[in-house]
Amino acid sequence: GQNIDQPTEMTATEGAIVQINCTYQTSGFNGLFWYQQHAGEAPTFLSYNVLDGLEEKGRFSSFLSRSKGYSYLLLKELQMKDSASYLCAVRDSNYQLIWGAGTKLIIKP
Amino acid sequence: TAGITQAPTSQILAAGRSMTLRCTQDMRHNAMYWYRQDLGLGLRLIHYSNTAGTTGKGEVPDGYSVSRANTDDFPLTLASAVPSQTSVYFCASSAASGGYNEQFFGPGTRLTVL
Repeated sequence: GQNIDQPTEMTATEGAIVQINCTYQTSGFNGLFWYQQHAGEAPTFLSYNVLDGLEEKGRFSSFLSRSKGYSYLLLKELQMKDSASYLCAVRDSNYQLIWGAGTKLIIKP
Repeated sequence: TAGITQAPTSQILAAGRSMTLRCTQDMRHNAMYWYRQDLGLGLRLIHYSNTAGTTGKGEVPDGYSVSRANTDDFPLTLASAVPSQTSVYFCASSAASGGYNEQFFGPGTRLTVL
């Protein structure tokens, strides 16, 4: 079967750095996405990785290792507004997204 | 730009009744999707459409039907609602189903079936 694993919840301090891990087992791989979802709102796109390595976008970076079925999202200089759920999704061989359950990130002052 | 709109925002529905959730996008995207999101679970794909005139079944299609008569609209119909269909429903669209094409999400419809 297909499976995406992420920690359920993480806590970090304002101004710090946090890494959210995602491991996956899917039928085929055609890219990995990270989305942010604030409570009661729709998911919004953060990053896309299809090749191994690090993609950097401002305070957010995303890493992919296809051989290990592993990705992480790195958030730097955390702000209170970063409190949200972070969703990992893999596009499978049918070009459909398989989603993890999300990681709820709590930022403390 | 409106992006993707969904209606209604929320609804309470009696079991056995039918209902259509509406979804409209103004980005001229080819691909559209319907997901449900339940606490503790990832988004699950119900149905999708890669282009106007075509539809496909996702992971959890039973009890739902869709149509894609034109590019902009992708309604989701529950023929006879059951309590297990209580969920938050998100419509999404992307320029295409592959490549560097992220999905854009509507605001969601919160449905309660009693």
